[in-house]
Amino acid sequence: DIQMTQSPSSLSASVGDRVTITCRASQSISSYLNWYQQKPGKAPKLLIYAASSLQSGVPSRFSGSGSGTDFTLTISSLQPEDFATYYCQQSYSTLYSFGQGTKLEIK
Amino acid sequence: EVQLVESGGGLVKPGGSLRLSCAASGFTFSSYSMNWVRQAPGKGLEWVSSISSSSSYIYYADSVKGRFTISRDNAKNSLYLQMNSLRAEDTAVYYCARVLTSGWPNFDYWGQGTLVTVSS
Repeated sequence: DIQMTQSPSSLSASVGDRVTITCRASQSISSYLNWYQQKPGKAPKLLIYAASSLQSGVPSRFSGSGSGTDFTLTISSLQPEDFATYYCQQSYSTLYSFGQGTKLEIK
Repeated sequence: EVQLVESGGGLVKPGGSLRLSCAASGFTFSSYSMNWVRQAPGKGLEWVSSISSSSSYIYYADSVKGRFTISRDNAKNSLYLQMNSLRAEDTAVYYCARVLTSGWPNFDYWGQGTLVTVSS
């Protein structure tokens, strides 16, 4: 099975900051990497698919990059509504697996 | 509008069984693979099971293999998860999610979740 590892597990930042979250796969997954945002008590929301493609309706301050085993999610200028938990997910294998999550908190 | 609505959660004793349902609307259900994903209290997301559009391909996480059974009824636009031999560690919110498989698979729509609590 493919293991997904995110770093950091938590992150404190301020409104307007540029933030980067990293995700590493245990084997090459090409660009089969998705990013989700989850707020407390809510279902996850798809932000990025295919490593760098922005889901319809998602603000352009979110961007993704990477291929193979190393990926990043970048938020260019944090907004108050961006404080949430972020998960990466591999879709290279149908045994889909998620990273452990990165909690983004207000500094 | 795409909607996924889970039901069937509740309190069950260890060793017991429960059947979750997910009612789909707003899209051609029979054309999409579907998944169950769970989230234990205060924990991250865990993929549980996947079923293809015609039920030809079914996959399970090792943690539930042999205990859980995923199924679907395309005539009723419904997805199911039969959970047997439940354990305390199965306590979680269970989400159904649609898989967009054309090109780059991703879970583009999710239900609101249903809580399963396994406790004596």
